[in-house]
Amino acid sequence: QSALTQPASVSGSPGQSITISCTGTNSDVGGFFYVSWYQQHPGRAPKLMIFDVSKRPSGVSNRFSGSKSGNTASLTISGLQAEDEADYYCMSYTSTTSSLVFGGGTRLAVL
Amino acid sequence: QVQLVESGGGVVQPGRSLRLSCAASGFSFSNFGIHWVRQAPGKGLEWVALISYAGTKKSYTDSVKGRFTISRDESKNTSHLQMNSLRVEDTALYYCTKGGWSFDSWGQGTLVTVSS
Repeated sequence: QSALTQPASVSGSPGQSITISCTGTNSDVGGFFYVSWYQQHPGRAPKLMIFDVSKRPSGVSNRFSGSKSGNTASLTISGLQAEDEADYYCMSYTSTTSSLVFGGGTRLAVL
Repeated sequence: QVQLVESGGGVVQPGRSLRLSCAASGFSFSNFGIHWVRQAPGKGLEWVALISYAGTKKSYTDSVKGRFTISRDESKNTSHLQMNSLRVEDTALYYCTKGGWSFDSWGQGTLVTVSS
């Protein structure tokens, strides 16, 4: 299974907005609404931030939002805060294997 | 609250076997699929295997097909990942997660090191 494509790193200043992209194919990101995003701080387990492309779990800040256009999904974080500095992973259902595939991960630096 | 606790990790030689366990509590275990996700040291997340809520569907990433077997024991609210013919590249922190096509709960992981 090929991983989804994410930028290796992104950065932003406190208060700014950033967007992380996640590019797949029409067999995964483009074909289904099963894209989710995970935040992982060093030494910690991943945390679900967005599911089903754009839905936010209870307790996740509304500064986090998700969207999709064609074969590319995006995670936008507005009003950047120092605590947002972490690794972010997208994941999608893939019909190729009827299973799941992760993106390679994006390291967010809050400068 | 929901808890997923992995165990069974350790150091093992290439070619040997290991059985991981995931003890679940705080939710109706029989209603949810269970997935295993791994993370090699310093690397990204990799989905490994899933078992459906009824245990009727099992799926594996290509690199572990034929070597790993996922199972679930409803009487003990536990999932297992039997790992045979282990390779150096299987070295990773193995997480147990619950859900369908997204994972709202994760364990803290159990470390598997394959080394001679």
